[in-house]
Amino acid sequence: GAGVSQSPSNKVTEKGKDVELRCDPISGHTALYWYRQSLGQGLEFLIYFQGNSAPDKSGLPSDRFSAERTGGSVSTLTIQRTQQEDSAVYLCASSSTGGSYNEQFFGPGTRLTVL
Amino acid sequence: SQKIEQNSEALNIQEGKTATLTCNYTNYSPAYLQWYRQDPGRGPVFLLLIRENEKEKRKERLKVTFDTTLKQSLFHITASQPADSATYLCALGPRGGSYIPTFGRGTSLIVHP
Repeated sequence: GAGVSQSPSNKVTEKGKDVELRCDPISGHTALYWYRQSLGQGLEFLIYFQGNSAPDKSGLPSDRFSAERTGGSVSTLTIQRTQQEDSAVYLCASSSTGGSYNEQFFGPGTRLTVL
Repeated sequence: SQKIEQNSEALNIQEGKTATLTCNYTNYSPAYLQWYRQDPGRGPVFLLLIRENEKEKRKERLKVTFDTTLKQSLFHITASQPADSATYLCALGPRGGSYIPTFGRGTSLIVHP
């Protein structure tokens, strides 16, 4: 069965450039989450979608980060004017309803390297 | 602020033994706790969820305990195998209207044949 997919799997960019990361959740999952994982660090929450709305975007580290979700499905995380500290693995997860106690299904992540 | 502690040092054990991983937390009263497994280059995979009113949960060779007094969860893998080698993450489930769990940094488990 199809799980959560993310693209690209790796992205190398130069400082100051914009990048877009894509997430395709499991079909029918209404909740979608973006996390960031740096080496030796835990998963850092970025933003949560329920359908196309983002009721919790408290984890976005700066206004250079934005995300959208369309059709209750695909989500794009955009980082503008990338900085070296943005280098990390960006993980997307989806869950069936987004309520408490629901397990999250993670994608393989996008490894972002900012030179 | 809430804090989750998982042993940053890798746990090395011999095949067939029981592996025990610890998740401690402070300044928090989670409604539930989850454990995930993460292999290199992959996203975490959900293993078990235990609620605050549950003391113990089992699934095949896995067992999780949850002590809300000690603010600690223990994750056990019995009859460990080299294939169990991975990083194991605990995540605290929030109360109220938030649906965002808080993840620990994870502990690496290495099972030697």
